[in-house]
Amino acid sequence: DTAVSQTPKYLVTQMGNDKSIKCEQNLGHDTMYWYKQDSKKFLKIMFSYNNKELIINETVPNRFSPKSPDKAHLNLHINSLELGDSAVYFCASSHWDRGYNEQFFGPGTRLTVL
Amino acid sequence: AQTVTQSQPEMSVQEAETVTLSCTYDTSENNYYLFWYKQPPSRQMILVIRQEAYKQQNATENRFSVNFQKAAKSFSLKISDSQLGDTAMYFCAFEYGQNFVFGPGTRLSVLP
Repeated sequence: DTAVSQTPKYLVTQMGNDKSIKCEQNLGHDTMYWYKQDSKKFLKIMFSYNNKELIINETVPNRFSPKSPDKAHLNLHINSLELGDSAVYFCASSHWDRGYNEQFFGPGTRLTVL
Repeated sequence: AQTVTQSQPEMSVQEAETVTLSCTYDTSENNYYLFWYKQPPSRQMILVIRQEAYKQQNATENRFSVNFQKAAKSFSLKISDSQLGDTAMYFCAFEYGQNFVFGPGTRLSVLP
């Protein structure tokens, strides 16, 4: 009974291609996130959506475009992939529980750009 | 801007022993939340423990406890009776509003 799911788990592609990663949560949360984890394991927030509205957009290249068709989904589309985009991408969702904002993470998508 | 620092890139501990992972953060906010997340080799991110900044009492969850020093902006994690399954990357995280900032992580190895 997966709470936050991502597809695909692994993605290998050539430079210059366009790819998408899908994320779905069945927890009824109203906020979803995308994180990038680099090769040194450093985890950095990319985007955050609340009720389908963008609320956080860190300094991410325009080639990255999140799309939230509804509260349960936050997909990440990447145009013109570059070598530096290789990383693990995590989707997460959250809700306000007793005043704090616990995040639930998906299993991650390992993107390799060749 | 908020920052989170974990000064120990790697640590190891013998099974059944106790280990403490350090975390410091910088913020001008007064009400915020702190978390420790665990990432085992499976890559799944798992919440270990959370702490509200307005609470003076340190949070505990079974073998995991924190030492929260608000004035010093320090939030260390103590793992008692370490088990092999505790081997993982541990991330300290700061949350204010709906924005999270993660530390660089500490790789913990529990040795048999």
